[in-house]
Amino acid sequence: ILNVEQSPQSLHVQEGDSTNFTCSFPSSNFYALHWYRWETAKSPEALFVMTLNGDEKKKGRISATLNTKEGYSYLYIKGSQPEDSATYLCAFMDSSYKLIFGSGTRLLVRP
Amino acid sequence: DGGITQSPKYLFRKEGQNVTLSCEQNLNHDAMYWYRQDPGQGLRLIYYSQIVNDFQKGDIAEGYSVSREKKESFPLTVTSAQKNPTAFYLCASSWDQVDGYTFGSGTRLTVV
Repeated sequence: ILNVEQSPQSLHVQEGDSTNFTCSFPSSNFYALHWYRWETAKSPEALFVMTLNGDEKKKGRISATLNTKEGYSYLYIKGSQPEDSATYLCAFMDSSYKLIFGSGTRLLVRP
Repeated sequence: DGGITQSPKYLFRKEGQNVTLSCEQNLNHDAMYWYRQDPGQGLRLIYYSQIVNDFQKGDIAEGYSVSREKKESFPLTVTSAQKNPTAFYLCASSWDQVDGYTFGSGTRLTVV
């Protein structure tokens, strides 16, 4: 079974702080890397799908980078707000098209 | 509004009984997936289907069965052979392999 690691497991920051999380995945047979945000009592919501080495994606204050050669992706949140509090999941897809999830980073942003 | 509906939200069953979890989507997505979440763990893939009348086992398929007779529907049956069925179950769908998944709101199954 493929291993997708996320760090840190949890993070508490103050409103206005910028933060980043790491996702590590196998560097062979790469097909795509997904990021999701999962707020309490809601469904996971897709943030980014990244397919090319060196990809950078941005949505508002959230951005992500991808390095397929070394097997990692970073998710950045600039100027965190309380509404950013959620669990952030990354998921790796290889050539079998199965999406394998990490266990997530829980972010809590204090006002 | 398009989306995925999972029902019921909470389900209680006695040990030894089979139970079927419903997942319906009106997004016209070809692919559908079932994941399981246990406390402290990531989502684990149970079964997936890329097209009607076809499905494949995921990483933890033992004790589960699925069918995909219609594009909109991908029900999951938790059989009595599943050793630890109590968990949170999420269904998802997507257009294709590089599309982000759309998730349902989940079913929490408790077996007593």
